[in-house]
Amino acid sequence: DGGITQSPKYLFRKEGQNVTLSCEQNLNHDAMYWYRQDPGQGLRLIYYSQIVNDFQKGDIAEGYSVSREKKESFPLTVTSAQKNPTAFYLCASSIGSRGPQETQYFGPGTRLLVL
Amino acid sequence: AQSVTQLDSQVPVFEEAPVELRCNYSSSVSVYLFWYVQYPNQGLQLLLKYLSGSTLVKGINGFEAEFNKSQTSFHLRKPSVHISDTAEYFCAAHPGGTSYGKLTFGQGTILTVHP
Repeated sequence: DGGITQSPKYLFRKEGQNVTLSCEQNLNHDAMYWYRQDPGQGLRLIYYSQIVNDFQKGDIAEGYSVSREKKESFPLTVTSAQKNPTAFYLCASSIGSRGPQETQYFGPGTRLLVL
Repeated sequence: AQSVTQLDSQVPVFEEAPVELRCNYSSSVSVYLFWYVQYPNQGLQLLLKYLSGSTLVKGINGFEAEFNKSQTSFHLRKPSVHISDTAEYFCAAHPGGTSYGKLTFGQGTILTVHP
């Protein structure tokens, strides 16, 4: 079955630690996205990538980093510079060739908690 | 910048009753509008989208939405809800043009269907 997988489902971060969230898709999509979801605030875009080896900052990129070395994979690192990382993180992908109106498909999410 | 406002944070309703979830967006020359649904601890799933043409858009699970340009609204409706419709619903907008992939989401509306 085609889809987007995110791992782990739950992740715990200690003070000063960097953690990496995994996102893999087998939909053959060019574009991938990372969102942060906080209660009552909807989803906010962290980073997005339209093609391999290229990515752009979203609205709240500070304290986060990404890489896009393979079409299928778009890992997100939450660095120690992110002072309030507790949130639900969602990865999404889209075909990437039909413009801004194309549908984004979402993974099941990773919940990050700070110890 | 694009903004999306969902006017109700929570909507309780009884089973088989009609429901309307309200969404307003900031005006733009062109706009693409989306409704997504999120079941507890899951990713988002597209319900429907408005790109152009007919202002009444039909989606999955019996939902529909009406684009109203003069009122800058895109309200979601269902004539008869089921218990299984209990979820959080997000309205999202894209201004078109070259802002590739940058969806702006509303704050979300939690729909609770009571027996």
